Amino acid sequence: GAGVSQSPSNKVTEKGKDVELRCDPISGHTALYWYRQSLGQGLEFLIYFQGNSAPDKSGLPSDRFSAERTGGSVSTLTIQRTQQEDSAVYLCASSLGGSVPEAFFGQGTRLTVV
Amino acid sequence: KQEVTQIPAALSVPEGENLVLNCSFTDSAIYNLQWFRQDPGKGLTSLLLIQSSQREQTSGRLNASLDKSSGRSTLYIAASQPGDSATYLCAVRGSMDSNYQLIWGAGTKLIIKP
Repeated sequence: GAGVSQSPSNKVTEKGKDVELRCDPISGHTALYWYRQSLGQGLEFLIYFQGNSAPDKSGLPSDRFSAERTGGSVSTLTIQRTQQEDSAVYLCASSLGGSVPEAFFGQGTRLTVV
Repeated sequence: KQEVTQIPAALSVPEGENLVLNCSFTDSAIYNLQWFRQDPGKGLTSLLLIQSSQREQTSGRLNASLDKSSGRSTLYIAASQPGDSATYLCAVRGSMDSNYQLIWGAGTKLIIKP
């Protein structure tokens, strides 16, 4: 597509429920990143994909968080048993990868856990 | 551990004024520094990217400078307009191979009053 697309744009869920956040990167971009932005905080790196593999999952805050990418394209970030501290904006970005530094960001998913 | 700080956290100025946003980082061993703009409900838009070997970059009314040795960057906005109102984020990248390792400041929320 023309840009990075994320869905849903807003999600309100009850504590303890599972949620899935979707990212559709720019066509042809091999690198895909997930970040989390909590209120008043900087962006926090979660996970990075190169193709379908995730060389670095060190940013995932707990084992309730997981992500996958299929076909070198769409990625899904899953949060199980959501907690109130999971409330944040989840941003996805993609880039051509390699040494090309510029990443293009989606509009984010605002997750609110009540 | 690299830390990025942006001061001030918020800034409100009348339309037409020139202004400077500040970004400081604790580890001068960076690969590049990037300034982004974030509008409410939207993703991040890359404004300027400065490689570690560069001193400044310009795009239209925006000028970003980098003083790597002192760990500082500034974003200068000339003749500010209400449309410049947004949150401005700076991020540094510490290694050419770590395309995902953007370390972020918390941002400066800028309001330009008509």
